[in-house]
Amino acid sequence: AQTVTQSQPEMSVQEAETVTLSCTYDTSESDYYLFWYKQPPSRQMILVIRQEAYKQQNATENRFSVNFQKAAKSFSLKISDSQLGDAAMYFCAHFGNEKLTFGTGTRLTIIP
Amino acid sequence: GAVVSQHPSRVICKSGTSVKIECRSLDFQATTMFWYRQFPKQSLMLMATSNEGSKATYEQGVEKDKFLINHASLTLSTLTVTSAHPEDSSFYICSARVLGPSNQPQHFGDGTRLSIL
Repeated sequence: AQTVTQSQPEMSVQEAETVTLSCTYDTSESDYYLFWYKQPPSRQMILVIRQEAYKQQNATENRFSVNFQKAAKSFSLKISDSQLGDAAMYFCAHFGNEKLTFGTGTRLTIIP
Repeated sequence: GAVVSQHPSRVICKSGTSVKIECRSLDFQATTMFWYRQFPKQSLMLMATSNEGSKATYEQGVEKDKFLINHASLTLSTLTVTSAHPEDSSFYICSARVLGPSNQPQHFGDGTRLSIL
């Protein structure tokens, strides 16, 4: 079974600053994928970034990047130059054995 | 990009009513679709995996007779909440995965807010 832990229920950051959201996971799979999804108040699930576990290079998508530490089973999300539109719930997710498991989420507030 | 359409977006009905929710992949084929339930301020919990042309796989604790899933084509899966009661009120969201390598992400519908009176 796989589990995903997000230890920060809430985070806040000043607009234009950088924030890092934490995520750790436990898995018995050797081949798996990790994702960060964003859920704004509309409750739509939006893919932010993904990482293949077999890749050592950290994924980057514009202002979003991850710090993937496979041995430590850590997958943090860094948001640079935070914008008001980044305010949302952020869910870390593990995909393995055909199943996507979500963490409990981190609510990110952007302070103008 | 891949688009998943979920309908209806909001349902309010009386206790005892059965409610059907549709999940369609609009511009891609999906042999596998997933149904999740999300309680307020909580995470998404997988209810079942819907496979085209075969029976759905339910997660532990999910009543298969309560939550009927049909996946009759490569672009449509339906979830029917039978004889719904107030405790079934929740946000239900589906997703579909594009055929291909395992690194293809799941694309989510906009969800259905179900309220049972």
